[in-house]
Order: sequence, then structure tokens, then C-alpha cells
Amino acid sequence: EVQLLESGGGLVQPGGSLRLSCTASGFTFSNYAMTWVRQAPGKGLEWVSDMTGFSGHTYYADSVRGRFTISRDNSKNTLFLQLTNLRADDTAIYYCAREDGRASDNWFDPWGQGTPVIVSS
Amino acid sequence: SYDLTQPLSVSVALGQTAAISCGGDNIGRKSVHWYQQKPGQTPVVVIYRNTNRPSGIPERFSGSNSGNTATLTISRAQTGDEADYYCQVWDNTIAMFGAGTKLTVL
Repeated sequence: EVQLLESGGGLVQPGGSLRLSCTASGFTFSNYAMTWVRQAPGKGLEWVSDMTGFSGHTYYADSVRGRFTISRDNSKNTLFLQLTNLRADDTAIYYCAREDGRASDNWFDPWGQGTPVIVSS
Repeated sequence: SYDLTQPLSVSVALGQTAAISCGGDNIGRKSVHWYQQKPGQTPVVVIYRNTNRPSGIPERFSGSNSGNTATLTISRAQTGDEADYYCQVWDNTIAMFGAGTKLTVL
């Protein structure tokens, strides 16, 4: 069974940092691009960043570029998201998801259960 | 950036057919995916590449995409279909979601 388990969320002050992790199981992790999507309280889904499997190419939403860094350790089947210079509007549930498809039109399946990030003083 | 337009809410009578639209400039040229998110749960893909249903998704769910509108259609709507539905496309290397549509089954 394919499973994704996020961790690392929590309460952080504005300007602070967090490192989120997403541990994968049930599939060959290095074969898949992986993505982070967030959802602010009561709001819709917002794509944050993704990373290809082998080549390690990374992409970011404008709202987080320069503050967030995505990375992965294929030997440990783990995806990371380093969050820095956090702002109140970064408060959200952060989901990781596997990307399926032909790279040019990937969909997200499955999703992890999410980890909450709360930015507040 | 590429904008996606979804209605805020759609209501459907029990057992009838619901249609949820996702509008975008020439969206018919893109590959559209649809996600269902029930209250308190994680999103689940219900349609990928415009018309394809993942295993485990009922045949009542179908998709279409042409011109400036993609549509998710839910036939014989059930109370268990009440959820938020999001369309998603790629704008070059950036994934875009619609704002979501809340489906209510009356």
C-alpha cells in the first residue's frame, strides 16, 4: 500500500523556520516526482513546490520562492520542505503528494494526511 | 499566471446529476484533474487527464474538457458525494488549483 506520512509541523513565530518531512512507503520513491500543497484554514488548495525524482529539478510557487526549499533523500524515501522567514499567511496544513503521469500533466495521488504549520507570535 | 474559475457552490437533488465547471482560457488544450475533499479529510483524485477515473472511483463520476470549460459530472448524486471539489492544471512548471466548489446534496 502506498503511504505518505508528514511530520515536522508546529507553532512558530513570524520570521522563524521549520523543516517538514514526508516519509514514503509502498512504492519506488526515486521514480516519482513529489509535491507539497498547502491549505490555509477554511481556504482552498495551494500548490507550493515540487521536485523531480532522479534529476532533482525543483519548482516553486511565487508566494514561497526564495523562502522555502524542497529537497529529498531517495535513500531514505523522504521528501523535505525547509520553511524560512515564515509569515502569518504561511499558516496552513501542508500536504505532500506523489505525482503520477507523464511529467507534463501530472496529477497528485496519493496525498499524506498533512502536517499543520501555525505562524503566530 | 493561469486563472481557473469555479462556482463557489453547486446544489443537486438526491439522485440527480451535478455538473461542476472549471473555466480557463483554452483550458481544452490542457489536461485537467479533479480532486474531492470531504470535510476533515485529505484530497482524493476522482478524475485525471480530463476523463479518466482512478480505480475505486465510482462510474458515476465523469469528466469532460473542451474550449474554455472543463466539467466534472456526478450522476445519481448521493449524500456521500458532499464535498469540496477542485480542478487542477499545470501552467508550464507551476500547478494551479481552482478555488474549489462546495457540492451540497439536497
